[in-house]
Amino acid sequence: EVQLVESGGGLVQPGRSLRLSCTTAEFTFGHYAMSWLRQAPGKGLEWVAFINSKPYGGTTAYAASVKGRFTISRDDSKSIAFLQMNSLKAEDTAVYYCTTAGYYGNNYQFDFWGQGTLVTVSS
Amino acid sequence: QSVLTQPPSVSAAPGQTVTISCSGSSSNIGNKDASWYQQLPGTAPKLLIYDNDKRPSGIPDRFSGSKSGTSATLGITGLETGDEADYYCGTWDTSLSAWVFGGGTKLTVL
Repeated sequence: EVQLVESGGGLVQPGRSLRLSCTTAEFTFGHYAMSWLRQAPGKGLEWVAFINSKPYGGTTAYAASVKGRFTISRDDSKSIAFLQMNSLKAEDTAVYYCTTAGYYGNNYQFDFWGQGTLVTVSS
Repeated sequence: QSVLTQPPSVSAAPGQTVTISCSGSSSNIGNKDASWYQQLPGTAPKLLIYDNDKRPSGIPDRFSGSKSGTSATLGITGLETGDEADYYCGTWDTSLSAWVFGGGTKLTVL
C-alpha cells in the first residue's frame, strides 16, 4: 500500500502564496499519476489538480476554481509532488489531500490518500 | 450544488442492507466509470469501489457497486456500526473537463 504524507499547510493571509508537498517512500513514485483534492470545513470533496506520470507525458489539469493560481508539479527523483498556491482566497480554506490516481477501466480514480494538511486563508 | 446527486443521509439498523444512489448525466457517469469513497469520522477518504463495481484489496464483499445508464449505486449489506461514515461518488465529467463528486451521503447505523 502506498503511504503519502502531505506538509506545508498553515495560516496564510489572502493574496499570499503557499506550497504544499506530498512525499512518499514508494520507490515507483514516477509511475503514478498524482492529484490534489480538498475539503472545506464541513463540506464535500473537491478535485483541485492532476499531473500524469512522465511516461504518459506529465500532463496537468486543474479545476476551474484554481486554474491560473495553482500549479501542480512533481520531482520524481525525490518522490515528491507539489501544489504551488498563489493569490490565495478565503474560499481556498480547506484540508488538502494528496492522492495517487490509478487508471482503471476508462477513468482515473483516486486510489491512495494522504492524511491531509489544513490550509487556512485569513487575515 | 454538486454535479452528481446523492441523498444527504441514509440510515438503517445493524445487520440490514442499505443502498446509496448517485445520479449524474451523459457527460459523466453516462460514459465514465464511477468510484466510491468512504470517509470515516475525522479521517481521510478511502477508495471503496472503483471501475463501477470493483473492490480494492482489503475491502469486504459487504460493499458492492453497480452502474446503470447515468446512475451509480453503492450497496452495503450486513451493516456494522463501524460503517458509519460519509460516502462520496465521483467520476470525470467530459463537458466540464474536471473530476466531479456527489455532495456526500452520511450513513447512520442506528
